[in-house]
Amino acid sequence: DAGITQSPRHKVTETGTPVTLRCHQTENHRYMYWYRQDPGHGLRLIHYSYGVKDTDKGEVSDGYSVSRSKTEDFLLTLESATSSQTSVYFCAISELTSARETQYFGPGTRLLVL
Amino acid sequence: GQQLNQSPQSMFIQEGEDVSMNCTSSSIFNTWLWYKQDPGEGPVLLIALYKAGELTSNGRLTAQFGITRKDSFLNISASIPSDVGIYFCAGLENNDMRFGAGTRLTVKP
Repeated sequence: DAGITQSPRHKVTETGTPVTLRCHQTENHRYMYWYRQDPGHGLRLIHYSYGVKDTDKGEVSDGYSVSRSKTEDFLLTLESATSSQTSVYFCAISELTSARETQYFGPGTRLLVL
Repeated sequence: GQQLNQSPQSMFIQEGEDVSMNCTSSSIFNTWLWYKQDPGEGPVLLIALYKAGELTSNGRLTAQFGITRKDSFLNISASIPSDVGIYFCAGLENNDMRFGAGTRLTVKP
């Protein structure tokens, strides 16, 4: 298994509160990603990082921010959580080698916003 | 954004039966990937396909990269109870990865 951990694994919070999810990797991979997974949808990309301090938006980035100050950590922050952000969040890592890229996923964080 | 159409949404089969699922897109991809997700866990990569027409096996699983580069297929032969889970396809083009909504597989002993 790829060395990816996510914390917390479960969280319940109230609307309007800030929430930070952490993804930690031990593989020294360059690329890290945050996805959300909702019923009836595939995984949807929120933000990704292609190096320390280098991040970019995905297809559902509104309401989320990210930071990557170290290779091994990628933080996802909900500045003011809303009920629509109730979801399961997955972190993924990859190392692009030539044209071949595969992503390895963490175990997920289940977030409930009341 | 670009969506992948994955079908069927769910399957209920008897142990020992073969399973087929597919993914189609309106756009082409350079890479097709198939993942399996068990309850409470993240998706795990099963098979990666890098070339149009490629047929790749992983044990009882066989996946194909469609010639048009707009589709991919996953077959599971002689299903067993531990095949239960959600199977996702994903297409990758220029570092942009899109996922299908998943096929939920139930295997009855």
